[in-house]
Amino acid sequence: DAGVTQSPTHLIKTRGQQVTLRCSPKSGHDTVSWYQQALGQGPQFIFQYYEEEERQRGNFPDRFSGHQFPNYSSELNVNALLLGDSALYLCASSPRQGWNEQFFGPGTRLTVL
Amino acid sequence: AQSVTQPDIHITVSEGASLELRCNYSYGATPYLFWYVQSPGQGLQLLLKYFSGDTLVQGIKGFEAEFKRSQSSFNLRKPSVHWSDAAEYFCAVGPRSNDYKLSFGAGTTVTVRA
Repeated sequence: DAGVTQSPTHLIKTRGQQVTLRCSPKSGHDTVSWYQQALGQGPQFIFQYYEEEERQRGNFPDRFSGHQFPNYSSELNVNALLLGDSALYLCASSPRQGWNEQFFGPGTRLTVL
Repeated sequence: AQSVTQPDIHITVSEGASLELRCNYSYGATPYLFWYVQSPGQGLQLLLKYFSGDTLVQGIKGFEAEFKRSQSSFNLRKPSVHWSDAAEYFCAVGPRSNDYKLSFGAGTTVTVRA
């Protein structure tokens, strides 16, 4: 049973560019959450997708957007990248039953130069 | 607003010694509480969780945690630390109905010396 998977593992971009990160949830899970973890900090909630809709959003600018597909996989898009967007981006999935427990993927390390 | 405080940024412990990591939370209702561990360059692995019931919860890798409502604390303990326990540990609170996010503390880095 595969856990949460994310791609790519690492990514290097320059300021002003756009990036797309991908996440496949754990089998049987229908909800995907995205978190940003800056170096030396705890993860910060970006948003959560459920039934292909953004259900809740954290305190992040509109440059951060997402999408959930019918197979429950999800994308995180960041436009007009800033140096401060450099971070580990974590995806977490949860099932409809037991929605209050989130299972995390290995993350995508984004470096903005 | 919910928040989590981990007072200790870094703890060094000898292999075989006991470990206790502190976590205090602020939450408007009975919280769901979690401890996660993160090895360098890795994602988060759930160690244990508290939803209700017995306030002493057992987790994986020999860890346990105790929920103390009067102190708003959820401290993590391990009786005998192994070198492989060196990692970063995060306490988290949430989610609940209509607020689905996890709120994390800043983390505690654990170093294990031989």
